[in-house]
Amino acid sequence: DAGVTQSPTHLIKTRGQQVTLRCSPKSGHDTVSWYQQALGQGPQFIFQYYEEEERQRGNFPDRFSGHQFPNYSSELNVNALLLGDSALYLCASSFLAIYNSPLHFGNGTRLTVT
Amino acid sequence: GNSVTQMEGPVTLSEEAFLTINCTYTATGYPSLFWYVQYPGEGLQLLLKATKADDKGSNKGFEATYRKETTSFHLEKGSVQVSDSAVYFCAPNFGNEKLTFGTGTRLTIIP
Repeated sequence: DAGVTQSPTHLIKTRGQQVTLRCSPKSGHDTVSWYQQALGQGPQFIFQYYEEEERQRGNFPDRFSGHQFPNYSSELNVNALLLGDSALYLCASSFLAIYNSPLHFGNGTRLTVT
Repeated sequence: GNSVTQMEGPVTLSEEAFLTINCTYTATGYPSLFWYVQYPGEGLQLLLKATKADDKGSNKGFEATYRKETTSFHLEKGSVQVSDSAVYFCAPNFGNEKLTFGTGTRLTIIP
């Protein structure tokens, strides 16, 4: 049973460019959340998707957008990249109907903006 | 507002030492409480959880008790091993189905 998978594992982009990160949730999970983890910090919530809709959003600008597909996989898009967007981006999946369903995390995508 | 405060690191201990990592929270309600662990080069893994006051979560020799009166959820282990070296995050769920992570505590165990 595959867990949460993310691609790519590493990415280097230039300031001003756009990037798309991908996530496949754990089998049986229907909800995907994205987190940004800056170096030496705890993960910060970006947004959460369920039934192809954004359910809630953290304190991130509109440059950060996402999508969920009918197979529950998800993408995170970041436009107009800034140096400060360099971080580890973590995808987590869960099953919404289960109260306090634990989040299962992928190994993340390391984004470096130069 | 809702927030979490976690013991600053890094923490270095000898093998078989006793471990405590402090975590306290501020909340308007009663959050569910989680500890996650991040091993080098990996994503986060759920270590243990507690969903109501006086609950004790436990896993892999680690324990944490939900203390409503002190709004705390300290992580403990009686005898740490080198394989426990990792970053540990306290993460309350304040009722909105997203986790609020502490800053993390880097633990290094030396043989």
